Amino acid sequence: DQQVKQNSPSLSVQEGRISILNCDYTNSMFDYFLWYKKYPAEGPTFLISISSIKDKNEDGRFTVFLNKSAKHLSLHIVPSQPGDSAVYFCAASAELGGPINAGGTSYGKLTFGQGTILTVHP
Amino acid sequence: EAEVAQSPRYKITEKSQAVAFWCDPISGHATLYWYRQILGQGPELLVQFQDESVVDDSQLPKDRFSAERLKGVDSTLKIQPAELGDSAMYLCASSIGQGARYEQYFGPGTRLTVT
Repeated sequence: DQQVKQNSPSLSVQEGRISILNCDYTNSMFDYFLWYKKYPAEGPTFLISISSIKDKNEDGRFTVFLNKSAKHLSLHIVPSQPGDSAVYFCAASAELGGPINAGGTSYGKLTFGQGTILTVHP
Repeated sequence: EAEVAQSPRYKITEKSQAVAFWCDPISGHATLYWYRQILGQGPELLVQFQDESVVDDSQLPKDRFSAERLKGVDSTLKIQPAELGDSAMYLCASSIGQGARYEQYFGPGTRLTVT
């Protein structure tokens, strides 16, 4: 079962406009969420994160919003730049439960969504 | 800037053959992860080490996959025998500690093709 879902395989945005990437999760144990960016031929790189005690976290042009009741998070990029063109993955983890053996959600284990390809046109 | 090193970058092997991947994490990083990423999907954790000990291998197909980190530094992931469904990107990552709040740094990956 897909516990973290990114339902939009791709998104195309004009340079300077806002990019909004969405992510949904089903496991109520998840309490820490991250976004990673991946360029071709490179490994993913960490972008921004948010704890479930917050509903918003901002870092420069990047803002992540968390709606716990809807089990939904989104990444906003404003303004979008051509260099932002990449695959974006959301990931979730259960942190507060402490180390838990396999069968549940192991402590610190990241569960990734399928990714969204963002293309920013000049 | 310190990076996670992986080799080889690309590997083509025939079904039923053995294949091995190597990962050298960032110096001082106690936690090491092996992920598998199938085309069109996100990375899936195969195994997590804390120093030389396995802390999570629940998703590792143990009948054919094995992983070791003997001295708690570099690590090897082996598949024997390889199957067509093993074609994927194998990513190694490391972090200074255990838990999602410690940033995971990923290597460039090994692209495996099984024919």
